[in-house]
Amino acid sequence: RKEVEQDPGPFNVPEGATVAFNCTYSNSASQSFFWYRQDCRKEPKLLMSVYSSGNEDGRFTAQLNRASQYISLLIRDSKLSDSATYLCVVNGGAGGTSYGKLTFGQGTILTVHP
Amino acid sequence: DGGITQSPKYLFRKEGQNVTLSCEQNLNHDAMYWYRQDPGQGLRLIYYSQIVNDFQKGDIAEGYSVSREKKESFPLTVTSAQKNPTAFYLCASSTLGQGEFRTDTQYFGPGTRLTVL
Repeated sequence: RKEVEQDPGPFNVPEGATVAFNCTYSNSASQSFFWYRQDCRKEPKLLMSVYSSGNEDGRFTAQLNRASQYISLLIRDSKLSDSATYLCVVNGGAGGTSYGKLTFGQGTILTVHP
Repeated sequence: DGGITQSPKYLFRKEGQNVTLSCEQNLNHDAMYWYRQDPGQGLRLIYYSQIVNDFQKGDIAEGYSVSREKKESFPLTVTSAQKNPTAFYLCASSTLGQGEFRTDTQYFGPGTRLTVL
């Protein structure tokens, strides 16, 4: 089982649609969770950190379910500029050799069309 | 402006040559990281460093070497021992974070695309 697993998509949605991405992780000791956005041939950029039971930032909502080891990202009212790859990122958990290490999912591709 | 810079943006190398990728940050971050990204795949950790003059192997360190002589700089050398070096290389930095879990947000440089001819 991959440490961080995402549905690779691609998701093709019209402007204004609501779209949700899912991510599962295997390390139950993980404590930090992030969603990054990566545009084509560019570096990843932080979209949201995910804390406790989740958080919201404008049109973006992230949810965390520790019991199921599951993270989601919801995008409401999609814009053309939301087209990108969305990376689910999980830390390695407390202590040991995984201290401070992040593990990246392969990413979910989103294309928003007019 | 504070940030992370990587150079060069594009790099071409002949087989059998070593090449060094530059990464500099002026964010005063303690930790720095090198990742490799192949098409359609997530980032894989090559090496990381949490303090000057110390670094640890990541998941795919074979064929790579690093140094951390200064807090601001973390160069990566791709050696001739790396079997398939063509990839997009990303450098990142972060604070160490506080508390038991010590993982903080990582910020990335613009990357270097290495192609072996």
